[in-house]
Amino acid sequence: DTEVTQTPKHLVMGMTNKKSLKCEQHMGHRAMYWYKQKAKKPPELMFVYSYEKLSINESVPSRFSPECPNSSLLNLHLHALQPEDSALYLCASSQGGGAGNTGELFFGEGSRLTVL
Amino acid sequence: AQKVTQAQTEISVVEKEDVTLDCVYETRDTTYYLFWYKQPPSGELVFLIRRNSFDEQNEISGRYSWNFQKSTSSFNFTITASQVVDSAVYFCALSENNFNKFYFGSGTKLNVKP
Repeated sequence: DTEVTQTPKHLVMGMTNKKSLKCEQHMGHRAMYWYKQKAKKPPELMFVYSYEKLSINESVPSRFSPECPNSSLLNLHLHALQPEDSALYLCASSQGGGAGNTGELFFGEGSRLTVL
Repeated sequence: AQKVTQAQTEISVVEKEDVTLDCVYETRDTTYYLFWYKQPPSGELVFLIRRNSFDEQNEISGRYSWNFQKSTSSFNFTITASQVVDSAVYFCALSENNFNKFYFGSGTKLNVKP
């Protein structure tokens, strides 16, 4: 079983809806990530939080709004999305910076989003 | 700029065959890390191996083995005696020293038929 838990597993929303994706990890990791993955494509980095601070935003449209309430939780707030935003959204965590960081990302199973 | 190339889009083998997945990378960094991940149909990417740029030793883990060659900028992955459960998409990835960014290859879909 994955140690990164994402909810919901599936989400269907209209273009005017507001919804949120949630991610939780209890491995004591200090870096958390949002990736977007379209069918038959590799994951694309969206955001990185390091020690609860946003450290990377890969020029993601403002209709995606990340939030890191604490070191274990990561949210992605969705508003006014477009049909082309339909994808698998993957959350990942890693140990974070500093000595001993082995770097590997631990992924959740993803939230499959469909925008109608 | 960092780049990872997996030229094989899809490979089909029959169970018990050996199969090698190719990965070629580009980077100007002297310190970097290479990874392989497996993505089964369930969607979760599963970490398989990490290699740093200073460690060219090949590694074997059960039926899996990895061949890292800096001279050819390659980090190939071999599955020996493949099984149906090995069917998945496999991604090779390159990370910078601070691990903030991972550069994924386009993935190789492996189909293992009984």
